[in-house]
Amino acid sequence: SQQGEEDPQALSIQEGENATMNCSYKTSINNLQWYRQNSGRGLVHLILIRSNEREKHSGRLRVTLDTSKKSSSLLITASRAADTASYFCATTSGTYKYIFGTGTRLKVLA
Amino acid sequence: DAGVTQSPTHLIKTRGQQVTLRCSPKSGHDTVSWYQQALGQGPQFIFQYYEEEERQRGNFPDRFSGHQFPNYSSELNVNALLLGDSALYLCASSFLTANYGYTFGSGTRLTVV
Repeated sequence: SQQGEEDPQALSIQEGENATMNCSYKTSINNLQWYRQNSGRGLVHLILIRSNEREKHSGRLRVTLDTSKKSSSLLITASRAADTASYFCATTSGTYKYIFGTGTRLKVLA
Repeated sequence: DAGVTQSPTHLIKTRGQQVTLRCSPKSGHDTVSWYQQALGQGPQFIFQYYEEEERQRGNFPDRFSGHQFPNYSSELNVNALLLGDSALYLCASSFLTANYGYTFGSGTRLTVV
């Protein structure tokens, strides 16, 4: 079963705009990660945020974590056509496995 | 530095057949996890191998089995294939527990007809 649920399921924006996607999860976590997947191929690790962190930045990416609401958000600033992909959150609660959400399909229009 | 290598890239099998998928982890990684991703869905955890043993298993039937070799490479075997086994199978490697993230391979697209 899916632990995380991304919202929205699909998002279409113009190049240069910001894209925000959200992830909600059900149980307490050790950390949360965001991944990108292009065209149904392998996933690429973007950023990891630990349960005791509230915000992290990496280049044009900004991730926030609210453990009280069991939610996280991924912000991509100044989006580019190359950002077109599916984005997944993945969580672990201390076991070895990560549970992935259903993903947000982002389309950036040039 | 080679990342995670999976083979084959694509595979077509008939219902009832058996299939073996292969994965070579990223250099320096000792843990291999396998995921199944159906079309339009997120990856589902199948199992994880560490020190040549299955360390944790997801909610998959015994038809799904695996192996890890001393060089950390891994195989995923699926017996008695069903149409519903058609999916993208992803291998992810990590060091110890993936607390720093997985490195994924490009996947094997399995089609069962």
